[in-house]
Amino acid sequence: AQSVTQPDIHITVSEGASLELRCNYSYGATPYLFWYVQSPGQGLQLLLKYFSGDTLVQGIKGFEAEFKRSQSSFNLRKPSVHWSDAAEYFCALQETSGSRLTFGEGTQLTVNP
Amino acid sequence: IAGITQAPTSQILAAGRRMTLRCTQDMRHNAMYWYRQDLGLGLRLIHYSNTAGTTGKGEVPDGYSVSRANTDDFPLTLASAVPSQTSVYFCASSQERTGELFFGEGSRLTVL
Repeated sequence: AQSVTQPDIHITVSEGASLELRCNYSYGATPYLFWYVQSPGQGLQLLLKYFSGDTLVQGIKGFEAEFKRSQSSFNLRKPSVHWSDAAEYFCALQETSGSRLTFGEGTQLTVNP
Repeated sequence: IAGITQAPTSQILAAGRRMTLRCTQDMRHNAMYWYRQDLGLGLRLIHYSNTAGTTGKGEVPDGYSVSRANTDDFPLTLASAVPSQTSVYFCASSQERTGELFFGEGSRLTVL
């Protein structure tokens, strides 16, 4: 069965610093991959998604993610973090188009002023 | 545009009571989902519906039931609530078979 692992439960960065959130997956083929963000008291919002093609994917709010097949990873990055980026971030996997998503456990991001 | 509306926002419930969480969407999406979110476990799929009239079991369906009488509504029922069902419940929908989900703001349920 497929799975998604986010190794970091909680990350703290300073405002203006760069950010990388890790995501590893287990699946026999190339999956569809997603990053969602959840602000406090809110539902989840899609940041970006990878289906095929260019392995560097651009998303909203200045985020990007890189798919690395050899490492089974899909890490999320942002060059300069803003205080408003403080939230919980979820990586998710979809086996095929139309199948259900499997979510990772989430990474809580704290941004220090 | 409302998107997905969930009700109630928050509820405290005695164990053994029946509870229905409501979910309505106005985007005419075919697929709808119920997830529960628990600390350290991420989101786990309870039930889903690919189209009106059909439902399926997700990862953690026990103790929950759903119905999909029409496109817009997808209620989740706890027939006899237990404390382990204390959680935040999210309803979501998607139109295309692309995996992009649109979420409601959640229903926080506490079972005592």
